[in-house]
Amino acid sequence: AQSVTQPDIHITVSEGASLELRCNYSYGATPYLFWYVQSPGQGLQLLLKYFSGDTLVQGIKGFEAEFKRSQSSFNLRKPSVHWSDAAEYFCAVGLMDTGRRALTFGSGTRLQVQP
Amino acid sequence: GAGVSQSPSNKVTEKGKDVELRCDPISGHTALYWYRQSLGQGLEFLIYFQGNSAPDKSGLPSDRFSAERTGGSVSTLTIQRTQQEDSAVYLCASSLKSSSSYNEQFFGPGTRLTVL
Repeated sequence: AQSVTQPDIHITVSEGASLELRCNYSYGATPYLFWYVQSPGQGLQLLLKYFSGDTLVQGIKGFEAEFKRSQSSFNLRKPSVHWSDAAEYFCAVGLMDTGRRALTFGSGTRLQVQP
Repeated sequence: GAGVSQSPSNKVTEKGKDVELRCDPISGHTALYWYRQSLGQGLEFLIYFQGNSAPDKSGLPSDRFSAERTGGSVSTLTIQRTQQEDSAVYLCASSLKSSSSYNEQFFGPGTRLTVL
């Protein structure tokens, strides 16, 4: 079965610093890849997604992610973090070769931003 | 327009009681998903509805869990004889029909269930 690994449970960065959140997936074929953000008390919001084509995808709020097939990774990046970015971030994968359209999520990375 | 709504936002119940959680998807979205988010865990798929097709129940953890979707819109997740391990946030999501691609899933704010 496919799996998604987010190795960092908790990350703290200073405001204005760069950010990279790691995501690795385990699946034989290239899945559809997503990053969601969950702010306290809020539902999940889609930041960006990768289906095919350019391996560097741009998302909302200044986030980007790069798909690396050789590393089975889809890491999320932001050049300069803002205090409002403090939230929990989830990487997710979806498979087209099954009838299911539900996503498989990683366990999340909680981002704390220091002033 | 309105997003996905869920009710109640919080539910505290006693072990052994039944609970019903409600989800109102975005109007026009034919796909509806239920996920469970336990403390410190990612989201766990529970069940998926797509139009009039038979639901994908493969994620339901036990036969105490069931869900229905009436009229292709509102969905209710029912947990019978609740156990303490059922305590979690239950999230609902909806999307446009997704037969050939992955359409964005829009999530509701969730229902936090606490079983005492």
